[in-house]
Formats: sequence, structure tokens, C-alpha cells
Amino acid sequence: QVQLQESGPRLVRPSETLSLTCTVSGGSISRYYWSWIRQPPGKGLELIGYIYYSGTTYYSPSLKSRVTISVDTSRNQLSLKLSSVTAADTAVYYCARDSDSGSYVGAFDVWGQGAMVTVSS
Amino acid sequence: EIVMTQSPATLSVSPGERATLSCRASQSVRSNLAWYQQKPGQAPRLLIYGAYTRATGVPARFSASGSGTDFTLTISSLQSEDFAVYHCQQYDIWLTFGGGTKVEIK
Repeated sequence: QVQLQESGPRLVRPSETLSLTCTVSGGSISRYYWSWIRQPPGKGLELIGYIYYSGTTYYSPSLKSRVTISVDTSRNQLSLKLSSVTAADTAVYYCARDSDSGSYVGAFDVWGQGAMVTVSS
Repeated sequence: EIVMTQSPATLSVSPGERATLSCRASQSVRSNLAWYQQKPGQAPRLLIYGAYTRATGVPARFSASGSGTDFTLTISSLQSEDFAVYHCQQYDIWLTFGGGTKVEIK
């Protein structure tokens, strides 16, 4: 059974870079699309971007200038970097797997437990 | 951006009763719609994709319908574990989520 686990600093200073890693266990990162999704407290879900195991990336137009998503197949990990953060970036950050192997569907069947990241000085 | 609007925001239902949740898209998303269940402190769980196909392990009391702009999720007989927030999500053009419907105990 595939499991995802987000890790990284839970407190980030304004204007700095938020960095999270998602470790995939119980299965391979290969042949799937992997996404980062966030949920501000009490609000809805927002797709940040996604990456294929080969490294091809797609970013939300509203976040594109600040986001970098990468994958390390040797470690079965994907990473998220979000630069120049503000309080508006405070949220639970989830990594998630697309439901279809080999193609992007946009429905997510496996999720990490989420990482609450607070932007504050 | 396609805006997804869910109604009602909160639905009060007694255990054993039927719950009907609605989701409307600001433009057609064809059948590229998913539903998720989210409980407090947990990640969302995929219930439905392709507008009406149940994900693996999802009980048959969950059913969904619709295409284009109007979609419905029905829970035929609410169990205690079904009280949660339900999100719809389109994946036709980029990907956007609705604001959620909270199903609470009446």
C-alpha cells in the first residue's frame, strides 16, 4: 500500500522560501504524476502544481513565478519550494498521487497526511 | 479559471437519512469531476471520479451523477462515519475545487 509523508520546516519567516519533501513508501514514484495541494485554515483546496516522475512540471498560473517542484526517483521523493512567502501562504500542504498510471487525470487517490506550515516572523 | 460552487454550505441530516449535495461549474467540465470526503485533521479521500465512478473501496451508498455544469453526490443512508466535509473538484481545464459542503448530524 502506497503511503506519502510530507516533511520540512513548519514555521517559515515572511519573504523566505518554504521547502517541503514528500517521501513515497510502499510503491514506486515511477509512472505516476504527483501533485502538491494546499488548504489554508478554514478554506478550500488549491492545486499548486504537479510533476511527472520524468521531471515534467506544471504549475498553477497564480503561483508559477514562485514555485519549483522537483522529483528524485532514486530516493522516491518529490519536493516543493515556494519562494517569497507571506502570511497568505500559511496552509496545510499535501502531496498526492494521481489516480492513473502513465497519464494525468487530475483525481488523487493517495494523499499524504499533510504538513501545516505557518508563515510568521 | 473554472469556479466550482457547492450547495448547501452545510447540510444537517439524521443518521439513516439520504443526503444530496450539489456542485455547479461556471462552465462545462464535461465529466471531468471528482468528489472527495474530508474529516477533521485528515487528508481528503477520493470517493468519485469521472463524475460517477466510485473509487476503490468506496461503499455503494455513495453515488454521483451529472455532466457539463451540474453534478450531484448522493449518500443513500447516512452512517456515523459519513459526517464530514465533501469537496467537488473539476479537472477539465487545469484543476479547481469547490468550497465544500459540511454534512453534520441533525
